[in-house]
Amino acid sequence: KNQVEQSPQSLIILEGKNCTLQCNYTVSPFSNLRWYKQDTGRGPVSLTIMTFSENTKSNGRYTATLDADTKQSSLHITASQLSDSASYICVVSVRSGGSNYKLTFGKGTLLTVNP
Amino acid sequence: DSGVTQTPKHLITATGQRVTLRCSPRSGDLSVYWYQQSLDQGLQFLIQYYNGEERAKGNILERFSAQQFPDLHSELNLSSLELGDSALYFCASSVDWVQAGELFFGEGSRLTVL
Repeated sequence: KNQVEQSPQSLIILEGKNCTLQCNYTVSPFSNLRWYKQDTGRGPVSLTIMTFSENTKSNGRYTATLDADTKQSSLHITASQLSDSASYICVVSVRSGGSNYKLTFGKGTLLTVNP
Repeated sequence: DSGVTQTPKHLITATGQRVTLRCSPRSGDLSVYWYQQSLDQGLQFLIQYYNGEERAKGNILERFSAQQFPDLHSELNLSSLELGDSALYFCASSVDWVQAGELFFGEGSRLTVL
């Protein structure tokens, strides 16, 4: 079982609508959680990084929330645009010993925004 | 533009062959990471180098090897290629070696093994 689970696997919405993507993780000890946007065939681009003490973080129309107690995060996209069509990847950083950290990647949610 | 440069962008080769993928990190970044992304799979961590030294190892096959040179660019060598090695290979870089901070990804090298 993947230690970072994302849902839904895919989502289709109409332009202008809002949507929320989910990320549940089981890895620990938690260091930070990141959301990346990956356009098809391109490299991932960071949207937000949240530490344990941060509950919410915004980047334009993207707002990420984090509940470290329930180990859940969500990415809310407001007023979607066609250019939001991409895969959204949740990545959790955990402490792996000493001052080392390890990144665990979710498989991503594929978002399609239709006109 | 992340500042991370990968070449080549596309590569088509045959089974049994060997290829080399190249990555130049962002200016000032000392860590380079290699990831593999197969169709419908998440990013799989292969290996990390920091300032020329191997720092962490992930699910890297014995047929694969990497190195980081004094000018900090890195190469990923894939040998005895199999059909299943067809994937996108991403390089990422960061300032430090702890993987706690921001990662910047390149645009990837798409490898097709026929």
